[in-house]
Amino acid sequence: GAGVSQTPSNKVTEKGKYVELRCDPISGHTALYWYRQSLGQGPEFLIYFQGTGAADDSGLPNDRFFAVRPEGSVSTLKIQRTERGDSAVYLCASSLSLAGTDTQYFGPGTRLTVL
Amino acid sequence: DQQVKQNSPSLSVQEGRISILNCDYTNSMFDYFLWYKKYPAEGPTFLISISSIKDKNEDGRFTVFLNKSAKHLSLHIVPSQPGDSAVYFCAAEGRSQGNLIFGKGTKLSVKP
Repeated sequence: GAGVSQTPSNKVTEKGKYVELRCDPISGHTALYWYRQSLGQGPEFLIYFQGTGAADDSGLPNDRFFAVRPEGSVSTLKIQRTERGDSAVYLCASSLSLAGTDTQYFGPGTRLTVL
Repeated sequence: DQQVKQNSPSLSVQEGRISILNCDYTNSMFDYFLWYKKYPAEGPTFLISISSIKDKNEDGRFTVFLNKSAKHLSLHIVPSQPGDSAVYFCAAEGRSQGNLIFGKGTKLSVKP
């Protein structure tokens, strides 16, 4: 079956602009996660959803970052007033539920470059 | 302060030999540990996991060992194959968490 997909695969924007990154989870997965991976680092947690609601958004770095999952499937990560430090690969993952033993399956990521 | 540490940024191994990747953690509340493998331009792929109630889990060529008293885990790959060349991430999860805490990764190169 289809895995997690993310669009766009690459996004180049200018400092101060607004961007939206999209994640399509595996069908039937209720839990969805966003991570950010900077160069030379491991993925860092941003936010996760159980269904439509954000169960934990403690990893969002500041109020310029926001994510939604209005119908409990597709999710959009929104970044306002982008800064050069936001440049990273943004990874989305989904799992059957939030149970720790449910494997998180990752998408290929969106590489965001802020000039 | 990093809760999951992979102190070796890279490892080079000859094909057919054993690869040992190490990981240390600081948070005693972690109760589930995972290894992910990542190829360039792809997302991390789940490899193997272990619950804190066990000290070993084996899946084919891959074995993960957990030493809770030392807060240390390791991934053994034997025999190593060139296709195993990738970045390996150690990750941990706490009982009340949904998210994973990742190490910085170790780049494994298996030479033919």
